[in-house]
Amino acid sequence: AQTVTQSQPEMSVQEAETVTLSCTYDTSESDYYLFWYKQPPSRQMILVIRQEAYKQQNATENRFSVNFQKAAKSFSLKISDSQLGDAAMYFCAYSFGNEKLTFGTGTRLTIIP
Amino acid sequence: ETGVTQTPRHLVMGMTNKKSLKCEQHLGHNAMYWYKQSAKKPLELMFVYNFKEQTENNSVPSRFSPECPNSSHLFLHLHTLQPEDSALYLCASSPGGLKNTEAFFGQGTRLTVV
Repeated sequence: AQTVTQSQPEMSVQEAETVTLSCTYDTSESDYYLFWYKQPPSRQMILVIRQEAYKQQNATENRFSVNFQKAAKSFSLKISDSQLGDAAMYFCAYSFGNEKLTFGTGTRLTIIP
Repeated sequence: ETGVTQTPRHLVMGMTNKKSLKCEQHLGHNAMYWYKQSAKKPLELMFVYNFKEQTENNSVPSRFSPECPNSSHLFLHLHTLQPEDSALYLCASSPGGLKNTEAFFGQGTRLTVV
């Protein structure tokens, strides 16, 4: 069974600085998707970034980028120039084929003004 | 504005009540999900529907009863719940089929069982 592990329950970063959130996963598949979701206090889960496993290039969305290491099964999220609005729970997730998403336990990110 | 809408946003119910949660998606997706999110616990997948057919029931107690009348609507019928069922219930949808990609979530229903 696929598992997703987020080993950092909480992280904090100074405003305008850079922070990296870690995620590892376990799978025997070769073509799958990885995601980072953000859940602010408003509760809605919002997709931050998506990576397709067959693409070697790391996905980037504005201040958000990933470091995808397929052999190591690692998928970290880097947030540059952190802003107060980035404060939220961040969930790493995996999906393969027509299967449902598997989520990690989340990392709570605090932004220090 | 979200493509996935959940109602109600908040619900307080007694253990003998019967209530229903509603989810509606306007994204043309074919897969819909119910997740339970409790404090300090991972997101728990409850049910999955693909093209209106239930494809997964993750050992959910029978006091939770899902219904998917069409690809755009998903319900979760609740009866004789327990206080430990208090949680945030999230609905999500995704394209479905063989190349399922990201899921889009509603804002959730905060359920309190008293």
